[in-house]
Amino acid sequence: GQNIDQPTEMTATEGAIVQINCTYQTSGFNGLFWYQQHAGEAPTFLSYNVLDGLEEKGRFSSFLSRSKGYSYLLLKELQMKDSASYLCAVIDSNYQLIWGAGTKLIIKP
Amino acid sequence: DGGITQSPKYLFRKEGQNVTLSCEQNLNHDAMYWYRQDPGQGLRLIYYSQIVNDFQKGDIAEGYSVSREKKESFPLTVTSAQKNPTAFYLCASSIGVSGANVLTFGAGSRLTVL
Repeated sequence: GQNIDQPTEMTATEGAIVQINCTYQTSGFNGLFWYQQHAGEAPTFLSYNVLDGLEEKGRFSSFLSRSKGYSYLLLKELQMKDSASYLCAVIDSNYQLIWGAGTKLIIKP
Repeated sequence: DGGITQSPKYLFRKEGQNVTLSCEQNLNHDAMYWYRQDPGQGLRLIYYSQIVNDFQKGDIAEGYSVSREKKESFPLTVTSAQKNPTAFYLCASSIGVSGANVLTFGAGSRLTVL
């Protein structure tokens, strides 16, 4: 079966750095997305990785290792508004999206 | 500003009733989707549509129905046949139906069965 694993919840301190991991086992791989979702709101696109390596976008970076079936989202200089759920989604061999359950990130002052 | 509008934000339903969730987009996207979001689970695809008057079942279509009479609109009906309808429903759209396209989501509709 197809499976995506993310930690259920993480806590970090304002101003710090946090890394949210995503491991996947899917039938094929055609890319990986990260979305941010504030409670009760729409998920919004953060990043897309299809090649190995690190993609940096301001305070947020996303890393992919296809050989290890692994990605992480790195958030720097954490702000209170970063409190949200972070969803990992993998595109399989049929170009279907497989979603992880999301990681709820709690930022403390 | 372009976007997706879902309504209502909150909806209560008695058992045995059908309810319809509205989804409208002004992004000129061809593809539209309905997802269900439950605590502790990933998003699950209910239905999707690539073009007007055509739609396909997703992973959990039983108990749901959709229509796509206009490019901008993709309403979802939750029928009485859906045994566990209490959930957060998300509508999304993208330029094309490939999973490689970025999705734009609406703000969601929370349905509670009384």
